Amino acid sequence: KNQVEQSPQSLIILEGKNCTLQCNYTVSPFSNLRWYKQDTGRGPVSLTIMTFSENTKSNGRYTATLDADTKQSSLHITASQLSDSASYICVVSNAGTYKYIFGTGTRLKVLA
Amino acid sequence: KAGVTQTPRYLIKTRGQQVTLSCSPISGHRSVSWYQQTPGQGLQFLFEYFSETQRNKGNFPGRFSGRQFSNSRSEMNVSTLELGDSALYLCASSTGTSERINEQFFGPGTRLTVL
Repeated sequence: KNQVEQSPQSLIILEGKNCTLQCNYTVSPFSNLRWYKQDTGRGPVSLTIMTFSENTKSNGRYTATLDADTKQSSLHITASQLSDSASYICVVSNAGTYKYIFGTGTRLKVLA
Repeated sequence: KAGVTQTPRYLIKTRGQQVTLSCSPISGHRSVSWYQQTPGQGLQFLFEYFSETQRNKGNFPGRFSGRQFSNSRSEMNVSTLELGDSALYLCASSTGTSERINEQFFGPGTRLTVL
């Protein structure tokens, strides 16, 4: 069964600290993996997209990694800011079907 | 370039009623996908339309339906509303033509409350 699991479910960190969010998937065949940031009550905004051949991609303070062999991805946030407080959603695309399988997200709260 | 727009932004209905939500994709995008988001379930895929045809469908009952017009605008309809249909409904647009680099852009969502 195609699934995407994220951990932890929620995370609280102090401003300025780094954190890493995890995403494990069983989607096959794999096409690409995306990380989205979603502020409360708003639509998700794309942070990174990685295909099979890419194992790292950065977007400012956000760095995503992908290990296609172990089917794991991580999103590392450097020097967190209050505005990073949001849900982070991992989405894996199922090749050939145009289907997207969503994780349930990690809720991050950054405290001053 | 204007982003994805959804109307209305907020909606309150009572059980048994029906509702229609609208989504205008980014200009040039031919694929529109609809999602339901509830606090406990995360984002659940409803269906995707590409060039006026339903290309993919999630596991929702037949009360949930949609359509896409020739200008790529899409509507979603929910009939016989139930309390459990209260959720944020998101639509996302993409080119729909090249999956490997096919990025989805989400609208702000419609918050539906069923009383």
